[in-house]
Amino acid sequence: NAGVTQTPKFQVLKTGQSMTLQCAQDMNHEYMSWYRQDPGMGLRLIHYSVGAGITDQGEVPNGYNVSRSTTEDFPLRLLSAAPSQTSVYFCASGHPTDTEAFFGQGTRLTVV
Amino acid sequence: GQQLNQSPQSMFIQEGEDVSMNCTSSSIFNTWLWYKQDPGEGPVLLIALYKAGELTSNGRLTAQFGITRKDSFLNISASIPSDVGIYFCAGQWDFNKFYFGSGTKLNVKP
Repeated sequence: NAGVTQTPKFQVLKTGQSMTLQCAQDMNHEYMSWYRQDPGMGLRLIHYSVGAGITDQGEVPNGYNVSRSTTEDFPLRLLSAAPSQTSVYFCASGHPTDTEAFFGQGTRLTVV
Repeated sequence: GQQLNQSPQSMFIQEGEDVSMNCTSSSIFNTWLWYKQDPGEGPVLLIALYKAGELTSNGRLTAQFGITRKDSFLNISASIPSDVGIYFCAGQWDFNKFYFGSGTKLNVKP
């Protein structure tokens, strides 16, 4: 039972580099989202999607892009990484009418 | 954005003790959720609360949705070492919008 799978688990980037954090779920969930977790600040919603082809901004969307071409995948793109984007990133999925969100194990990103 | 104030930030307790943590908000939420995060893992849902005044239990865990819809608490009774972790409250006011508290880090001494 894979659930929500995030790759990579760890990544170090240089300022200005781009990269894509991958998220895949095998539970046929319509809803997927990305959060960042910073010390002392809990989790903050970056972007979310209620289905293939539909995305919307969350609380802290600046510097991040998303797309949802399939139900299973919801990649998060950093076009030009900045040190302020150093964080732990979590992907979550669920049904839009269900409050439970299933989280992946996280990607720890460091931008130097 | 929404602000959730979660307290305490951290707790050090002895095994067998009861624990209480709470969350307050300046805004009304339709749903309150409590999650636990183990080291190196994503948060896992413990309890979901859907109505003001609702009191819900899950084993040794009890949580309540405040009457004003602006607060919630979580109690853990007879703590055990595996209760160690970070506990997050989360408020939901729209289908797709969750706001998380900053977390309560629980340490349990055997």
